[in-house]
Amino acid sequence: AQTVTQSQPEMSVQEAETVTLSCTYDTSESDYYLFWYKQPPSRQMILVIRQEAYKQQNATENRFSVNFQKAAKSFSLKISDSQLGDAAMYFCAYRSPDYGGATNKLIFGTGTLLAVQP
Amino acid sequence: NAGVTQTPKFQVLKTGQSMTLQCAQDMNHEYMSWYRQDPGMGLRLIHYSVGAGITDQGEVPNGYNVSRSTTEDFPLRLLSAAPSQTSVYFCASNSPWRDEQYFGPGTRLTVT
Repeated sequence: AQTVTQSQPEMSVQEAETVTLSCTYDTSESDYYLFWYKQPPSRQMILVIRQEAYKQQNATENRFSVNFQKAAKSFSLKISDSQLGDAAMYFCAYRSPDYGGATNKLIFGTGTLLAVQP
Repeated sequence: NAGVTQTPKFQVLKTGQSMTLQCAQDMNHEYMSWYRQDPGMGLRLIHYSVGAGITDQGEVPNGYNVSRSTTEDFPLRLLSAAPSQTSVYFCASNSPWRDEQYFGPGTRLTVT
């Protein structure tokens, strides 16, 4: 079974600085999808960024980028120019490929609570 | 476009009571899922559906029932609530061709 591990329960960063959140996963599959979700105090789950395992290029969305190391099974999230609005819980998630509608399982890590200091 | 809606937002139950958490989506997504979120444990999948009439168990299905009679709705039923079911419940939907799951605002359930 696949597992997702986030080893940093809490992180802190100064406004305008850069922070990296770690995520490792375990799988025997060669094709899969990885995600980072943000959960602010409002509780709403917001997709930050996604990565397909077959793509070697790291995904980027504005100030958010990932470092995807397939062999090491590592998927870290880098937030550049941190803003106060980035303060939230961040979840790493894994999804197996969906061949013919057989599954829709998203496996989450335990989350990293990010605080942004002004 | 409302996206994924959940009702109620908050609920308090006594042990042994039953209730249904409602979830609806207006994006014509075939896939829908229910998760629970507990402190220190992230989100865990309870049940999911890949289409009307098709449901399957996730990681923590015990104590919960689901059915999917329409594409839009995916209710979660607690037949006999237990304190261990105190949690925040999220419903999500997605298209088979897109991996992004769209989440509802969540329901905070307390069982006393």
